[in-house]
Amino acid sequence: GAGVSQSPRYKVAKRGQDVALRCDPISGHVSLFWYQQALGQGPEFLTYFQNEAQLDKSGLPSDRFFAERPEGSVSTLKIQRTQQEDSAVYLCASSLSRGPIRTTNEKLFFGSGTQLSVL
Amino acid sequence: AQRVTQPEKLLSVFKGAPVELKCNYSYSGSPELFWYVQYSRQRLQLLLRHISRESIKGFTADLNKGETSFHLKKPFAQEEDSAMYYCALRRNYGQNFVFGPGTRLSVLP
Repeated sequence: GAGVSQSPRYKVAKRGQDVALRCDPISGHVSLFWYQQALGQGPEFLTYFQNEAQLDKSGLPSDRFFAERPEGSVSTLKIQRTQQEDSAVYLCASSLSRGPIRTTNEKLFFGSGTQLSVL
Repeated sequence: AQRVTQPEKLLSVFKGAPVELKCNYSYSGSPELFWYVQYSRQRLQLLLRHISRESIKGFTADLNKGETSFHLKKPFAQEEDSAMYYCALRRNYGQNFVFGPGTRLSVLP
């Protein structure tokens, strides 16, 4: 594909509803990140995958948030029992780098995001 | 903990004027610093990174470890530079990128 693809583009959920957000990274990209961006704020790290392994989930705000990448490509971020404070844009990004070696090619490619509104 | 601050939420300059977007960070190790930009209705994208010491679209940024700063500069702003700019830090040998809150640059005609 041309870039990182996220779906749906917009999601409206009733409080208490479960949602699933999908991310299709650039083919061959090893690293995948999820970020949460509240209105007027910068992206906040949620979790990071290297292939299918979830190496860092320190940014997930509660156990209602769960992410997976079972085959090392597509990833899903699931939010259970959504709350109003979960309303935000959820960004997915991928990178060719597998880390930890730094290279000048290190760069994140972002998707357009999923805007989640919890009513 | 790592932290990135951008003191200005909004910066307005006239076309042709110099512009400086401020970024300060706190991190005890040796970080990598980046500037990401988001133009209207476009995705967040990399503008430049300190490790490459490059100039992109006339923008430069120098890492000052003594002042823990990575300010973004351009001598002559253009209207097409209007966008949201985010400073970001990556920990040494880590994968977690930490973003600042962003500065909206508005270049007036």
